[in-house]
Amino acid sequence: DGGITQSPKYLFRKEGQNVTLSCEQNLNHDAMYWYRQDPGQGLRLIYYSQIVNDFQKGDIAEGYSVSREKKESFPLTVTSAQKNPTAFYLCASSHTGQVPTGELFFGEGSRLTVL
Amino acid sequence: AQSVAQPEDQVNVAEGNPLTVKCTYSVSGNPYLFWYVQYPNRGLQFLLKYITGDNLVKGSYGFEAEFNKSQTSFHLKKPSALVSDSALYFCAVREFGSSNTGKLIFGQGTTLQVKP
Repeated sequence: DGGITQSPKYLFRKEGQNVTLSCEQNLNHDAMYWYRQDPGQGLRLIYYSQIVNDFQKGDIAEGYSVSREKKESFPLTVTSAQKNPTAFYLCASSHTGQVPTGELFFGEGSRLTVL
Repeated sequence: AQSVAQPEDQVNVAEGNPLTVKCTYSVSGNPYLFWYVQYPNRGLQFLLKYITGDNLVKGSYGFEAEFNKSQTSFHLKKPSALVSDSALYFCAVREFGSSNTGKLIFGQGTTLQVKP
């Protein structure tokens, strides 16, 4: 079945370590997104990519990095520069085009806890 | 700047009663509006969207939403609530325009509690 796969589901990290969250989609979507979810704050956009080898910063990009070497993959690295990395991270994808009426499709999320 | 507001952190309703989860938006052009549902430790599931046309939009699991341009609202409704509807609900907006990137702006979410 088509969908978005995020891994790992749960991840624990010590302070000062970088971690990479995986996101893979087989929906043939051009656009992919990373959101961060904190209790009571909804979803905030970290990075997004509309095409391979191109990506843009979202509202809270500091302390994060991404790559988009393949259409199917959009990994997110949480660096040691991110001051409060403990959160639930959601990857999403969508069709793009001149009239972007499509909804986002979400993965099941990755919960990162910094010890 | 575009934004979405969900004025209620939590909505409580008895099973079998109608439910409403409120959403208001602010955009400079025509809005594309969406509702999502999230169960604990899961991703978001798409419920419905308004793009154009009929102001009453029907979606998954018996949910519907009414677009009201004059009040800039897009409230989510269901005629008869189920205990299994208990979850976190998000309203989102995307603004159409030449600089549109396809990204969504989300509200803060409303927790729906349906009691037996």
